[in-house]
Amino acid sequence: EIVLTQSPATLSLSPGERATLSCKASETVSSYLAWYQQKPGQAPRLLIYDASTRATGVPTRFTGRGSGTHFTLTISSLEREDFAVYYCQQRRNWPPGASFGGGSRIEIK
Amino acid sequence: QVVLQESGPGLVKPSGTLFLTCNVSGDSVTGTNWWIWVRQPPGKGLEWIGQGHHSDTSSYNPSLQNRVSISVDKSTNQFSLRLTSVTAADTAVYYCARDHFRGYSYGFDAWGRGMLVTVSS
Repeated sequence: EIVLTQSPATLSLSPGERATLSCKASETVSSYLAWYQQKPGQAPRLLIYDASTRATGVPTRFTGRGSGTHFTLTISSLEREDFAVYYCQQRRNWPPGASFGGGSRIEIK
Repeated sequence: QVVLQESGPGLVKPSGTLFLTCNVSGDSVTGTNWWIWVRQPPGKGLEWIGQGHHSDTSSYNPSLQNRVSISVDKSTNQFSLRLTSVTAADTAVYYCARDHFRGYSYGFDAWGRGMLVTVSS
């Protein structure tokens, strides 16, 4: 089973600042990596798939990068609605399987 | 627009069986997509439970392998989750979701609102 480790656990920033989140895998996940945003009381929302492709309607301030075992999600300039918890997720093609990282919270400083 | 909606009992007794259904509208469960269950204990992170396909193929989290099954019902356009021998540790919000798959995963792009299931006597 592939274990995803996210860091930092919490990031305290102000609106307008840049946020960079890390996701490290215990073994190579190729590019089958996605990022999700979750706000309190809501279901997760897909932001990025295939490590770097934005999902429909996701603003361009969100950028995913990486391959192999190290991936990052960058938010270039935080908007108030971006303060939330972010999860990375890997997907194995066959046999099908998936796992999530432990999450990173971005809070208002 | 794809809409997923979870339904089922919100309270299950310890050692009992949790059974949830996800109704899918705006897409057919008989396509190439996989159908996912994810859970989130109160105040904690997301856990992939497993996924099913209309071809009767399924895959499960190894930590739950012995207790879980997911099935896809083509006649009702729904899929379901069965989790046996539940304990308080299974208390969580349960989400159903769609894995957008075209020979490759394009991410879990549609989610239900989630349903809190509490295990308690």
